[in-house]
Amino acid sequence: QQQVKQSPQSLIVQKGGISIINCAYENTAFDYFPWYQQFPGKGPALLIAIRPDVSEKKEGRFTISFNKSAKQFSLHIMDSQPGDSATYFCAASVIETTDSWGKLQFGAGTQVVVTP
Amino acid sequence: GAVVSQHPSWVICKSGTSVKIECRSLDFQATTMFWYRQFPKQSLMLMATSNEGSKATYEQGVEKDKFLINHASLTLSTLTVTSAHPEDSSFYICSPAGETQYFGPGTRLLVL
Repeated sequence: QQQVKQSPQSLIVQKGGISIINCAYENTAFDYFPWYQQFPGKGPALLIAIRPDVSEKKEGRFTISFNKSAKQFSLHIMDSQPGDSATYFCAASVIETTDSWGKLQFGAGTQVVVTP
Repeated sequence: GAVVSQHPSWVICKSGTSVKIECRSLDFQATTMFWYRQFPKQSLMLMATSNEGSKATYEQGVEKDKFLINHASLTLSTLTVTSAHPEDSSFYICSPAGETQYFGPGTRLLVL
């Protein structure tokens, strides 16, 4: 049973457009919400992460929006580029100790294709 | 540069054999290592948590006798898939606990 629900499963966006991926969770104990980018045959790489005490975080072209009451969070990729074509995963975790950082529940993933 | 390495990057083995996957943290010490499994076109699923000097803890549904984990040092954790079967074919990825959340490059296992 997936604890973090992610949508859409895939999306196609034109170069320069905005990619939006949404995730929802049920476990209110989750207190850490990262997003990962994964290229075929590679391990995932951390893009950006947010804690529930803030509603938005921006790093470069990537923005996380977080809605604690709705138990939803989303990733916005601005000015999408062909090099952004990859699979994106949201995840959630309960940070109890330093040793629990990285114990993650992942969403199902979204395959993003950016067309030239 | 990479801070977590895995060896081998890919392996093909016959059904019934055992395969050992190594995960090394290169620039830091990891007291805790997470092992994930990813089937093709699917998400990552946490399999187990290894702790240096103690027994690993396994997620529900993961057979501890089939997936042997050893974390003998602060820089090395190993996952051994025993008596591998074709359904064990997957992408295995390690990740040391910590705020930086690096993932290893993964090991592709194909069991024939």
